[in-house]
Amino acid sequence: GAGVSQTPSNKVTEKGKYVELRCDPISGHTALYWYRQSLGQGPEFLIYFQGTGAADDSGLPNDRFFAVRPEGSVSTLKIQRTERGDSAVYLCASSLMRGGTEAFFGQGTRLTVV
Amino acid sequence: KNQVEQSPQSLIILEGKNCTLQCNYTVSPFSNLRWYKQDTGRGPVSLTIMTFSENTKSNGRYTATLDADTKQSSLHITASQLSDSASYICVVRISGGYNKLIFGAGTRLAVHP
Repeated sequence: GAGVSQTPSNKVTEKGKYVELRCDPISGHTALYWYRQSLGQGPEFLIYFQGTGAADDSGLPNDRFFAVRPEGSVSTLKIQRTERGDSAVYLCASSLMRGGTEAFFGQGTRLTVV
Repeated sequence: KNQVEQSPQSLIILEGKNCTLQCNYTVSPFSNLRWYKQDTGRGPVSLTIMTFSENTKSNGRYTATLDADTKQSSLHITASQLSDSASYICVVRISGGYNKLIFGAGTRLAVHP
């Protein structure tokens, strides 16, 4: 596609439920990143994929968070047993290669846990 | 700890005026620094990139500076327009292997008529 696409754009879920957030990167981009942005804050790194593998998952806050990218393109961020503190905008970005190139961001998924 | 700090946190200016946003970083090893503009409800979009050897770079009405010795950058906006109202985020890339980015909290700029 022309840009990074994230679905859904908004998600409201009840505390304790499971959610999946999807990211379609720019075609041909091998690097994919997930960030979380709380209100009034800058994006916080969660996980980075190079191809199909998670090269760096040091930003995932706990084991309720998990992400996959099985075919090296689309990625899904999965959150189990959601908590109200998980409410944030989840941003996905992709870039052409490992280093130096610009990361292009999607519009984000706004997750609200009630 | 790798950190990026921005000031001011928020800023209100009148249309047509200039403003300067500040970014201090403690990221190491340093690769490059980007200024992103984030409109409400949208993802960040890159305005300019600064590498270690660059001091000043302009992109239209935006001029970024970098002092690698003091680890400071600034973004100067000239002749502001209403459409400049957004968050401006300073992002520093860590050198060595992959594109890990450290984000500042951003400066929320409001341009009033």
